[in-house]
Amino acid sequence: RKEVEQDPGPFNVPEGATVAFNCTYSNSASQSFFWYRQDCRKEPKLLMSVYSSGNEDGRFTAQLNRASQYISLLIRDSKLSDSATYLCVVKPGGYQKVTFGTGTKLQVIP
Amino acid sequence: ETGVTQTPRHLVMGMTNKKSLKCEQHLGHNAMYWYKQSAKKPLELMFVYNFKEQTENNSVPSRFSPECPNSSHLFLHLHTLQPEDSALYLCASSQESGGAPFFGPGTRLTVL
Repeated sequence: RKEVEQDPGPFNVPEGATVAFNCTYSNSASQSFFWYRQDCRKEPKLLMSVYSSGNEDGRFTAQLNRASQYISLLIRDSKLSDSATYLCVVKPGGYQKVTFGTGTKLQVIP
Repeated sequence: ETGVTQTPRHLVMGMTNKKSLKCEQHLGHNAMYWYKQSAKKPLELMFVYNFKEQTENNSVPSRFSPECPNSSHLFLHLHTLQPEDSALYLCASSQESGGAPFFGPGTRLTVL
């Protein structure tokens, strides 16, 4: 089983739609979780951290389910500018490196 | 300059050339990384430096040679590369080793 798994997509959604991505991780000792966004031919950029109780940043909501070992990202009222690849990132405790998923591609269409 | 900068942004080299990629971080971070991103593959961690000391080398071929003279600068020396080494090479830094990395814009490398 891969350390971090994501559905590669693409997810094609109309503007204004709500879309959700899931990401599963295999290491039950993982302690920190993040979502990154990567635009075509650009570097990944930190979108948001994922906290145990769930957290929201504008139209974006991130949630963590430790029992089932997955995190999710919900995007409400999708904009054309949300089109990108969304990378799930998982970090074990201490000084161990983060692990990136392969990413989920989102295409918001007019 | 702010954040993480990388030079050059694009590089085309032959298999017999020697070149170096440069990275500089202006964030006061203690850890620096080299990642490789090939088409349709996940990010691959190549090297980790923590307080200038190399703490991880993920079985990277010796034709890639990193150098970290201080906590703000990181180099990747390249020699006798193969065409399959063509990829986007991303430098990143984080406050501590294992923290969420902050990426530079990358160097898009093409090996002919």
